[in-house]
Amino acid sequence: AQSVTQLDSQVPVFEEAPVELRCNYSSSVSVYLFWYVQYPNQGLQLLLKYLSGSTLVKGINGFEAEFNKSQTSFHLRKPSVHISDTAEYFCAVTAGGTSYGKLTFGQGTILTVHP
Amino acid sequence: DSGVTQTPKHLITATGQRVTLRCSPRSGDLSVYWYQQSLDQGLQFLIQYYNGEERAKGNILERFSAQQFPDLHSELNLSSLELGDSALYFCASSVGQVYNEQFFGPGTRLTVL
Repeated sequence: AQSVTQLDSQVPVFEEAPVELRCNYSSSVSVYLFWYVQYPNQGLQLLLKYLSGSTLVKGINGFEAEFNKSQTSFHLRKPSVHISDTAEYFCAVTAGGTSYGKLTFGQGTILTVHP
Repeated sequence: DSGVTQTPKHLITATGQRVTLRCSPRSGDLSVYWYQQSLDQGLQFLIQYYNGEERAKGNILERFSAQQFPDLHSELNLSSLELGDSALYFCASSVGQVYNEQFFGPGTRLTVL
């Protein structure tokens, strides 16, 4: 079975500052990793994904994440945040196989960007 | 707009009742997924269908059932509702069965009184 831990439930940051949202996963098999964003009263939108290849993944809205197999981490970063980045962010994993497309989500990190 | 539609947006009902949530996937997507989001449990996977066939099942209660129809839309049926079933229910769709980006609908907010 897979599990995901998002290490921070809330992250406050000032506009134009860098931010890192931390995600660790646990799995006995190879996993594939995703970051989703949820704006208030909306569904989830994919920010980026890691399936294979380069461990540094670039996504939409200037976000990027680095897959670290030895540390079992997939932290999300942005060098300079905007007010519009205020939202809840979810890290998710899938192992495929008999789990097919099942996504296991972390508990979410609420990012609040202050002016 | 993800292209996934869910109806209704809000549903208020009483304990013991039965409701049906409906989902239409994006055009061309064959997989449909259902997730439950609540404050205490977070985002939980319920079930996946691919081209009408059940593919994966999560911690879905026996009181809950789902199906995917030949036109690929899906319905999630919740019966004998309890207060604890109050949650946001999301439908998502993807082209394939595994490793694909899942596109999420806006959700149905269910309130059980």
